[in-house]
Amino acid sequence: DAKTTQPTSMDCAEGRAANLPCNHSTISGNEYVYWYRQIHSQGPQYIIHGLKNNETNEMASLIITEDRKSSTLILPHATLRDTAVYYCIVCLALEVDMRFGAGTRLTVKP
Amino acid sequence: EAGVVQSPRYKIIEKKQPVAFWCNPISGHNTLYWYLQNLGQGPELLIRYENEEAVDDSQLPKDRFSAERLKGVDSTLKIQPAELGDSAVYLCASSLVRANEQFFGPGTRLTVL
Repeated sequence: DAKTTQPTSMDCAEGRAANLPCNHSTISGNEYVYWYRQIHSQGPQYIIHGLKNNETNEMASLIITEDRKSSTLILPHATLRDTAVYYCIVCLALEVDMRFGAGTRLTVKP
Repeated sequence: EAGVVQSPRYKIIEKKQPVAFWCNPISGHNTLYWYLQNLGQGPELLIRYENEEAVDDSQLPKDRFSAERLKGVDSTLKIQPAELGDSAVYLCASSLVRANEQFFGPGTRLTVL
């Protein structure tokens, strides 16, 4: 059973913020939300993860709702190189079998 | 720092032939993973190694797939014999011990004719 639900595809204008939603209504208290992305012809790349609090790093921000049933990955100023498939994954800390799902295909347009 | 290295990048074979993929993880990463990725889908774990020990191979089709990680460094994934349905991208990843931040290689795209 899929633990997350993501839109199949999204578009974003270059230079604008890209907001990628993820629903994880069955998340348990000790499960984290991870985000990876996969650029065409490359392997997936880790972006960010969080448990309860919002997180920010040099790549993106992760906003987790208070009930933790959904989250949003924010790319503040999307560039053409951000065009990729973005995967939202829910798993326990150190749970190595990460279930990637189909992800959201983000297309950044000039 | 070099990333995860995989070779070959592309492989085309006829069905029933054997094929092997090689992976060299990031130096110091004890955990190594092999994933299968079908077109339009996310990666699916085939096998995980902790050092030289295969600790999770429940998704590996053992009738035709095999893997090894000699000396706990680089690893080889083999298919013998290959079937048409094995056409996919085979990804290798590594991480420090057990960790969710996994570093992936570029993958090997296998086409079985």
